[in-house]
Amino acid sequence: ETGVTQSPTHLIKTRGQQVTLRCSSQSGHNTVSWYQQALGQGPQFIFQYYREEENGRGNFPPRFSGLQFPNYSSELNVNALELDDSALYLCASSLETGLNNEQFFGPGTRLTVL
Amino acid sequence: DQQVKQNSPSLSVQEGRISILNCDYTNSMFDYFLWYKKYPAEGPTFLISISSIKDKNEDGRFTVFLNKSAKHLSLHIVPSQPGDSAVYFCAASANNAGNMLTFGGGTRLMVKP
Repeated sequence: ETGVTQSPTHLIKTRGQQVTLRCSSQSGHNTVSWYQQALGQGPQFIFQYYREEENGRGNFPPRFSGLQFPNYSSELNVNALELDDSALYLCASSLETGLNNEQFFGPGTRLTVL
Repeated sequence: DQQVKQNSPSLSVQEGRISILNCDYTNSMFDYFLWYKKYPAEGPTFLISISSIKDKNEDGRFTVFLNKSAKHLSLHIVPSQPGDSAVYFCAASANNAGNMLTFGGGTRLMVKP
């Protein structure tokens, strides 16, 4: 069974640019959540996708958007990058969206905005 | 406003002793709580969870205690091992939010041989 994978591992962008981060869910998982982890802090929930539809969103501006594909892989897009967007971006997949459904995290993509 | 707080950024414990990691929350809607462990360059991995209808849950060396009236939970690791050295995150979820998680800031545990 393949775990959650993310690409790229590291990325450097400049302020104002756009970035796309990718996540491949664990086999059979139809739910993916994205989190932002700033240095020295805990992960912060960005949004969740369930069967290709946004299922919930945290306190992030609209320039953070996502997609989930029919094979349940997903993307996180960030437009108009700001310095504060520098962080580790984690995706997590789960079988379903319910309360007891364990989330399996990928290793993350470290984004640096200069 | 941080809804889940871990007030100790770090904790150092001798091998074989008990490690106690603490977590406080403010949102009364939270009814499911989890602990995750994170090693460098890896994603968080699930450790143990507890529902709000319980006050204790055990899994091997790991026990989580929940005090709903105090809005406080703790993770006990007995006995602590050097391989337990990692960052531990407390997380919470509300029933109406499915498995969308609110995390604390983490506690770095160092277990000395």
